[in-house]
Amino acid sequence: DAGVTQSPTHLIKTRGQQVTLRCSPKSGHDTVSWYQQALGQGPQFIFQYYEEEERQRGNFPDRFSGHQFPNYSSELNVNALLLGDSALYLCASSFLLAGGGETQYFGPGTRLLVL
Amino acid sequence: RKEVEQDPGPFNVPEGATVAFNCTYSNSASQSFFWYRQDCRKEPKLLMSVYSSGNEDGRFTAQLNRASQYISLLIRDSKLSDSATYLCVVNMGFGNEKLTFGTGTRLTIIP
Repeated sequence: DAGVTQSPTHLIKTRGQQVTLRCSPKSGHDTVSWYQQALGQGPQFIFQYYEEEERQRGNFPDRFSGHQFPNYSSELNVNALLLGDSALYLCASSFLLAGGGETQYFGPGTRLLVL
Repeated sequence: RKEVEQDPGPFNVPEGATVAFNCTYSNSASQSFFWYRQDCRKEPKLLMSVYSSGNEDGRFTAQLNRASQYISLLIRDSKLSDSATYLCVVNMGFGNEKLTFGTGTRLTIIP
């Protein structure tokens, strides 16, 4: 049973560029959440996708956008990159149940460095 | 005030000792609570959920005090492999809304 997978594992970009990160959820999961983890900090919630729609959003600017595909995989897009966007980007998947959900399982992350 | 607050440490503890971590959360409407473990340069992994009645998993015991908005984790007979960052996590819903993380407490077990 494959767990959550993310690609690429590492990425180097320059300021102003755009980046797309990808996530495939754990088998049987239908919900994908994205988190940003800066060095020395806990992960911060960016947004969550379910049924191909953004279900919840954290305090991140519109430069951060996403998409979920019919096969439940997801992309995170960041436009106009800033130095402060350098971080580990984590994808977590879960299965949305009525009245509550399962534990969120994290992928290995994509480490983004903006120069 | 941060939504979830933890002492960042580091905690340097000899092997075999008992160590306790504490965490406070600000939103009294929070519904579910967890401890995650994160090894260096790896993803967070669920260590255990935390219930009002308290729960134990081997050497690990977690407690929740809703009145004081306080969560704890106790590790007994610590092993070298327990060295990691321990993240206190709070969820407004029952598992599927956004997870709110503390900054983590770094633990190093010394031989």
